[in-house]
Amino acid sequence: EAAVTQSPRNKVTVTGGNVTLSCRQTNSHNYMYWYRQDTGHGLRLIHYSYGAGNLQIGDVPDGYKATRTTQEDFFLLLELASPSQTSLYFCASSDAGGGTEVFFGKGTRLTVV
Amino acid sequence: GDQVEQSPSALSLHEGTGSALRCNFTTTMRAVQWFRKNSRGSLINLFYLASGTKENGRLKSAFDSKERYSTLHIRDAQLEDSGTYFCAAEAYGSSGNKLIFGIGTLLSVKP
Repeated sequence: EAAVTQSPRNKVTVTGGNVTLSCRQTNSHNYMYWYRQDTGHGLRLIHYSYGAGNLQIGDVPDGYKATRTTQEDFFLLLELASPSQTSLYFCASSDAGGGTEVFFGKGTRLTVV
Repeated sequence: GDQVEQSPSALSLHEGTGSALRCNFTTTMRAVQWFRKNSRGSLINLFYLASGTKENGRLKSAFDSKERYSTLHIRDAQLEDSGTYFCAAEAYGSSGNKLIFGIGTLLSVKP
């Protein structure tokens, strides 16, 4: 089974702060994703990537940047954190695009005060 | 509008009983996954279906792309089944495996 590891698991930052969430997958999957999950919503896609150096815009990208440095590593960047970005963030990975199972990390709870 | 409509939003079961969760899709989907978010917030993969049915222990799931729905049946519910269940569907033509999530079903299993 795919291993997707997120760090940190919990993070508190101040409004205007700079935060980086990290994700590493060890199954050589091509696709990686960042989602956020809020009460009353399912997970919503922020950004995704199909390989090192690639970045695709998701459905809720405002206020977020992302960078895929290697096939294994995908980072989510909040350069000016706002309270509206308080959420549970999930990283995920999958093999070739389309019709394959997606595997999720354990999540990172971010609080912006 | 929402492409994945999940119901019910909340469900309470007594131990040993069962029920079904359902997701309706507004468009034809290529595949569906079901997840459970546990008390620690982790997303557990339950099922991946491109068609038909799958069963795993006390859980059974079905997906009918043509009729645009998927179900998750739970039988003989146990306390540890409590959590939030999500369905997520992948649309045809989407880039990568972009999943569209339902809002989730909060399941509470009581003694």
